[in-house]
Amino acid sequence: DAKTTQPPSMDCAEGRAANLPCNHSTISGNEYVYWYRQIHSQGPQYIIHGLKNNETNEMASLIITEDRKSSTLILPHATLRDTAVYYCIVLPSYNTDKLIFGTGTRLQVFP
Amino acid sequence: DGGITQSPKYLFRKEGQNVTLSCEQNLNHDAMYWYRQDPGQGLRLIYYSQIVNDFQKGDIAEGYSVSREKKESFPLTVTSAQKNPTAFYLCASKQVRMNNSPLHFGNGTRLTVT
Repeated sequence: DAKTTQPPSMDCAEGRAANLPCNHSTISGNEYVYWYRQIHSQGPQYIIHGLKNNETNEMASLIITEDRKSSTLILPHATLRDTAVYYCIVLPSYNTDKLIFGTGTRLQVFP
Repeated sequence: DGGITQSPKYLFRKEGQNVTLSCEQNLNHDAMYWYRQDPGQGLRLIYYSQIVNDFQKGDIAEGYSVSREKKESFPLTVTSAQKNPTAFYLCASKQVRMNNSPLHFGNGTRLTVT
């Protein structure tokens, strides 16, 4: 059980913001939201994670709703190299080993 | 640049042969992990190690073996006992001192056994 729901695919024009949604309505109080992405034939790449506050790093921003039942990953200026499958995962803080990847969202960035 | 290096990227072996996949990290992470990923599927945990000279079985350890003689290195041996060894193998590591520390992955080794 991935415990998350994501749209199977999205398109985004190069240079525009890519907003990837994720529903996690059964998230528990001690579970974090993690985002990874995987480009074909490469290992998953960690992007960002958060508990309840919005987070930003050099790659992306993570917006978590107040009730924590959903979140949005924002790539502010998408490039062609951002084309990948994006996975939203919820994990307890004490056990980040048991990564369960669902089907993710296949983001296609076009010129 | 710090990171996790897996080698080789592609590996071909005949059935019945053991093969060892290399994983090295220079992130000074305590914990290291091996996963396999099959087409269209998620990750399955094979073995993990929280500290040097200690390791634990994951969900699908049968047919695999590991060692952790150095903090930086966690090689995985796929033995002839593994019934379906052809897969994409991923090594990962993380810092264990922080509770919510994320896993960081290498770029994987694609093993094909014929």
